[in-house]
Amino acid sequence: QQQVKQSPQSLIVQKGGIPIINCAYENTAFDYFPWYQQFPGKGPALLIAIRPDVSEKKEGRFTISFNKSAKQFSLHIMDSQPGDSATYFCAASKSGSGFGNEKLTFGTGTRLTIIP
Amino acid sequence: DAGVTQSPTHLIKTRGQQVTLRCSPKSGHDTVSWYQQALGQGPQFIFQYYEEEERQRGNFPDRFSGHQFPNYSSELNVNALLLGDSALYLCASSSRGVSGNTIYFGEGSWLTVV
Repeated sequence: QQQVKQSPQSLIVQKGGIPIINCAYENTAFDYFPWYQQFPGKGPALLIAIRPDVSEKKEGRFTISFNKSAKQFSLHIMDSQPGDSATYFCAASKSGSGFGNEKLTFGTGTRLTIIP
Repeated sequence: DAGVTQSPTHLIKTRGQQVTLRCSPKSGHDTVSWYQQALGQGPQFIFQYYEEEERQRGNFPDRFSGHQFPNYSSELNVNALLLGDSALYLCASSSRGVSGNTIYFGEGSWLTVV
């Protein structure tokens, strides 16, 4: 059962454009939604994360939009640069102190290419 | 401040052999999770260790086992290797009891089974 669906699978955007990557989740117990950036041969690096009590969070050029009723969230990259070319993964987990709350369920990834 | 460190970075094993991968969590973190990432896929949760015990397990066979040491470092062991075990194995660390649930990954260990 795929609990986090991510789209598109790949995305090509010109430099300066705003790529948007979308994710949808099924488990309403999820309340922590991070995005990871992964370059070839490297481990995933945490970009930005959001909790359902806010609808938007910005950190630098990265913005997460969250729609709790639709169970969807998305990543926007402002003023995209060729160095942003990487694979992006959305993920979800439950917070709190119970065991298993660090278990991340990942989407399938979006391969983003920013062309000059 | 050292992040999550993993070793070895690359290794090649033969079908049927056994492998041990190692992880040191980020300073101040006490919880270690292991993930398997096949080529072109998202990471899949294997299991999580806290206080030297396995606390939760994903959908992986018993051939996958682990251990956590008193210094919070961890090992992932895979027995009777199959070709399908070829993947990037990622260690993730976090701190129980700290709000924010921030989870950091290491660079991973690339395992090739031939």
